[in-house]
Amino acid sequence: KQEVTQIPAALSVPEGENLVLNCSFTDSAIYNLQWFRQDPGKGLTSLLLIQSSQREQTSGRLNASLDKSSGRSTLYIAASQPGDSATYLCAVALTGNQFYFGTGTSLTVIP
Amino acid sequence: GAVVSQHPSWVICKSGTSVKIECRSLDFQATTMFWYRQFPKQSLMLMATSNEGSKATYEQGVEKDKFLINHASLTLSTLTVTSAHPEDSSFYICSAQGGGAIQFFGPGTRLTVL
Repeated sequence: KQEVTQIPAALSVPEGENLVLNCSFTDSAIYNLQWFRQDPGKGLTSLLLIQSSQREQTSGRLNASLDKSSGRSTLYIAASQPGDSATYLCAVALTGNQFYFGTGTSLTVIP
Repeated sequence: GAVVSQHPSWVICKSGTSVKIECRSLDFQATTMFWYRQFPKQSLMLMATSNEGSKATYEQGVEKDKFLINHASLTLSTLTVTSAHPEDSSFYICSAQGGGAIQFFGPGTRLTVL
C-alpha cells in the first residue's frame, strides 16, 4: 500500500520568505502526483498536477518537482504571503483513480 | 474548471439516525466518484470508489453496510451513513472524475453526531 509522508508537519515563516514543502512516497510506480491547498473547514483546491512523465510544474509563485525514482516531490512557494496560510496536501495516484493523501503541512505566514 | 458540489455542507444528527450526503458534478459527467473522510487534524482517507451503475469498492476497514454508496447517474453519487454514532463525526469529501485523470473535489460535508 502506498504511504505518503509530508515534512514538516507545521511551518511558520515571516512574509516574503521562500519556502519548500516536502512529500515522500513509498511506491514509485505512480500515475501522477498532485498538490492541494486546504483552508480550515473547507474542501480542497488543486494547485499543481504533475504527471508521472514530468519532472516539474509551475503556476505563478508555485513550483512543484517530482523525482519518481527517489519517491519525492517538493512544493516551492516563492515570496510567501499571509494569504498562503493553509494546509498543503500532497496526493499520489497509483492508477488514474485512487489518490493517497499525505499527512499535510500546516503553513502559517506571519505578516 | 469543473465544479463538484456537496449537499448538505454541514449536518447535525442524533445517534442512531441515518444521514445522506449528496455529491454532484455540475458541468461534466463523472464516470467515477470517490468518497473520503477526514478526521480533525488528519489527512484525507479514501473510503470507497464508485463507478456509475455498479457497486462501490470499499477500502479495507470501511464497513460497506454502514456507509452505503449509490452512484445511480453520471452526475450524482450519494453516501448514506446508517445508524450514525458519535465516532462517525467527521468531514466527508467527495471527488469526481470524468474521462481524464484529474479528480475534482467537492467542498466537503461536516457531519456531527450527537
